[in-house]
Amino acid sequence: DGGITQSPKYLFRKEGQNVTLSCEQNLNHDAMYWYRQDPGQGLRLIYYSQIVNDFQKGDIAEGYSVSREKKESFPLTVTSAQKNPTAFYLCASSIVPGDNEQFFGPGTRLTVL
Amino acid sequence: GQSLEQPSEVTAVEGAIVQINCTYQTSGFYGLSWYQQHDGGAPTFLSYNGLDGLEETGRFSSFLSRSDSYGYLLLQELQMKDSASYFCAVRQNQGGKLIFGQGTELSVKP
Repeated sequence: DGGITQSPKYLFRKEGQNVTLSCEQNLNHDAMYWYRQDPGQGLRLIYYSQIVNDFQKGDIAEGYSVSREKKESFPLTVTSAQKNPTAFYLCASSIVPGDNEQFFGPGTRLTVL
Repeated sequence: GQSLEQPSEVTAVEGAIVQINCTYQTSGFYGLSWYQQHDGGAPTFLSYNGLDGLEETGRFSSFLSRSDSYGYLLLQELQMKDSASYFCAVRQNQGGKLIFGQGTELSVKP
């Protein structure tokens, strides 16, 4: 089955630690995205990648970093510089950049203690 | 600036029809999409309007008026499983990112 996987579903970290969230897709999609969702809020774009080895900052990139070394993978690192990292993180992909239909993974709920 | 406005909550009864509105103010416009998200789950794509008018997909329809910077999602024959959050999203230019609204939480009552 094709799809997007994110692991783990729940993640707990101590304040001051960096943490990397995994996102893998086997849909052969060119574009991938990372969103953050806070309770009762919409999705805010952190970073996106239109093609391998290239990525751009979204609206709330501060305190986050990404890499896109393979088409299938787009990991997100939440660094200690992120002031309020506790949130629900969603990874998505689309066939081509700017496609109106994005396919989302199940999300990772990060709690920083 | 850019903004999308949706009602925060809507309640309806099973079998009824409900309309969720979305008004947008963005520097560019290349289409309006709708997504559904059940509590704690992944958003799923519902529909897209690039031109004015109504798009129908089963019980769901979506409408766009570009001159009014306005669109809506219409859900007919509501079912309990339709209880979820619904997000409108605007793409500002070809190849550009999506900007999401804050979401409307729909509660369907028996």
